[in-house]
Amino acid sequence: GEDVEQSLFLSVREGDSSVINCTYTDSSSTYLYWYKQEPGAGLQLLTYIFSNMDMKQDQRLTVLLNKKDKHLSLRIADTQTGDSAIYFCAESMWGNKLVFGAGTILRVKS
Amino acid sequence: GAVVSQHPSWVICKSGTSVKIECRSLDFQATTMFWYRQFPKQSLMLMATSNEGSKATYEQGVEKDKFLINHASLTLSTLTVTSAHPEDSSFYICSARDLAGRVTDTQYFGPGTRLTVL
Repeated sequence: GEDVEQSLFLSVREGDSSVINCTYTDSSSTYLYWYKQEPGAGLQLLTYIFSNMDMKQDQRLTVLLNKKDKHLSLRIADTQTGDSAIYFCAESMWGNKLVFGAGTILRVKS
Repeated sequence: GAVVSQHPSWVICKSGTSVKIECRSLDFQATTMFWYRQFPKQSLMLMATSNEGSKATYEQGVEKDKFLINHASLTLSTLTVTSAHPEDSSFYICSARDLAGRVTDTQYFGPGTRLTVL
């Protein structure tokens, strides 16, 4: 079955770059997503990438996709304290059932 | 744009009662809505997929008679937890898929509903 794995915790200093990694098993995934969840809140879509792309940049966010290795990463440049949250990687086929990773807790130290 | 709301944001109820949670897409039409459940410090697990005007499709292990889903319009889906028990206490999150214009295959999430059953 589908499986998505992420590192559980990342701690960075304010101003540094953060890189959150994710691996997935379903080679038929068409979309891969990064969501952010702040305490007690729902999920905020940060960015997504279509499976035929290998990179997408959106302001401070850069998504890299290595389809051969089924590896996805999210880089946050100039990380701020407001970026502290849980980041979920997810994959789907044509926007149907989303399969989530367990989430990576990002802690930003000032 | 692409805002999804949920109501209520939190609810406390007695064991044995039923609780209804609403999910609305505020500025787009959503033919498909999804209901997720999240346990503390864990990921989201899909419970069911709800298509407007038809019966919901439940994931394996989710009791359809326990978690009743209605998707009567393009902007509203409801989840009713029937005869709630303490083990139903959880964070319930809905999402809606925008099929008009924007990214067609992206799910936008509501803020979640915290259910506590005493």
